[in-house]
Amino acid sequence: EIVLTQSPATLSLSPGERATLSCRASQSVSSYLAWYQQKPGQAPRLLIYDASNRATGIPARFSGSGSGTDFTLTISSLEPEDFAVYYCQQRSNWPLITFGQGTRLEIK
Amino acid sequence: QLQLQESGPGLVKPSETLSLTCTVSGGSISSSSYYWGWIRQPPGKGLEWIGSIYYSGSTYYNPSLKSRVTISVDTSKNQFSLKLSSVTAADTAVYYCARLPPITMVQGAGAFDIWGQGTMVTVSS
Repeated sequence: EIVLTQSPATLSLSPGERATLSCRASQSVSSYLAWYQQKPGQAPRLLIYDASNRATGIPARFSGSGSGTDFTLTISSLEPEDFAVYYCQQRSNWPLITFGQGTRLEIK
Repeated sequence: QLQLQESGPGLVKPSETLSLTCTVSGGSISSSSYYWGWIRQPPGKGLEWIGSIYYSGSTYYNPSLKSRVTISVDTSKNQFSLKLSSVTAADTAVYYCARLPPITMVQGAGAFDIWGQGTMVTVSS
């Protein structure tokens, strides 16, 4: 089973700052990694698929990078609505799916 | 615009079977060769993939839940369903259904791109 480890568990930043979230896989997942944003009481929203492709309607301040075992989600300049929990998800052993445990992005 | 809606009992007794249905509206469940999945989230915790079904009926389950899970599809009703047997308090969670584009698709390959709002299921006597 491929395990995804996200860090940090909690990230405290201010609006306008740059956010860098990490997702590390226990073995290579190539570029088969997605990122989601989840706000309280809401379903997750797909942000990035295949490591670096923005989903439909996602603002350009969200970007993804990485391949193999190390991946990064970057939010270039935080907006107030960006404070949420972020999850990574791999599909390397398709159609089996694994999620990371999440990173909480909170207002400093 | 495609929408998904979960439905089913909000309270299930321990050792019984949890049954949920996801109704797809605004499009056909058998169009464009999509997969359809179930994901759950215990209170205050992260996301766990339960399993997925192809529109043709092929199923794929999380190995940790495989012995208790059955996912089925009813294309005539534009629905797919989840059954989880022998439930315990550890199965208490918000259950989501979602669309999963195949890995051959250009947009959103292998990622859940449309989600239902989720339904809370509590396991308690």
